[in-house]
Amino acid sequence: GAVVSQHPSRVICKSGTSVKIECRSLDFQATTMFWYRQFPKKSLMLMATSNEGSKATYEQGVEKDKFLINHASLTLSTLTVTSAHPEDSSFYICSATGGDEQYFGPGTRLTVT
Amino acid sequence: GNSVTQMEGPVTLSEEAFLTINCTYTATGYPSLFWYVQYPGEGLQLLLKATKADDKGSNKGFEATYRKETTSFHLEKGSVQVSDSAVYFCALRTGGYNKLIFGAGTRLAVHP
Repeated sequence: GAVVSQHPSRVICKSGTSVKIECRSLDFQATTMFWYRQFPKKSLMLMATSNEGSKATYEQGVEKDKFLINHASLTLSTLTVTSAHPEDSSFYICSATGGDEQYFGPGTRLTVT
Repeated sequence: GNSVTQMEGPVTLSEEAFLTINCTYTATGYPSLFWYVQYPGEGLQLLLKATKADDKGSNKGFEATYRKETTSFHLEKGSVQVSDSAVYFCALRTGGYNKLIFGAGTRLAVHP
């Protein structure tokens, strides 16, 4: 099946710094990628929809200036958490659309100290 | 609006027991329905899906039938294994848009 990777798998950063998370579709081209946030023992919350070559569409309540999304190519989307705070600590998951299916990355555990 | 409701967990079973995880949905139009599984520390994997009423999705011994009359998509397995321990998410997708709406997830723990 199609493979989606995320890098890094875990990251610890200090409060006030920015951190970038990459999402790549390894064996297919993805015109659309999604970014989710998952709180402990909770479901996935869609943050934004990322289309290659255009601005991301953010869900209500998600700060676009804090969570910067760039979908520069058909195989790469990045999420940058700017000026991170401890409340941004979470599990971030991306997914990529290939044909009719949505394929998920393994997730990135962000811890802000 | 569109939503998915799953039974609260955790569900704790002994190996070889029968599993049912309930899922109901509210949607406009005719959604596609999905079950995803998340193993500890990993991302989501598609377990099975159904795209129209009365379709049955099946994979790895798991089954779910799309019931339009009861707006349900309950997940079942006849004999669970320890390796089935994971979190299971029911989800729907409407129209041609790829946006998925997830239920809260149900944690399954299977003991030997």
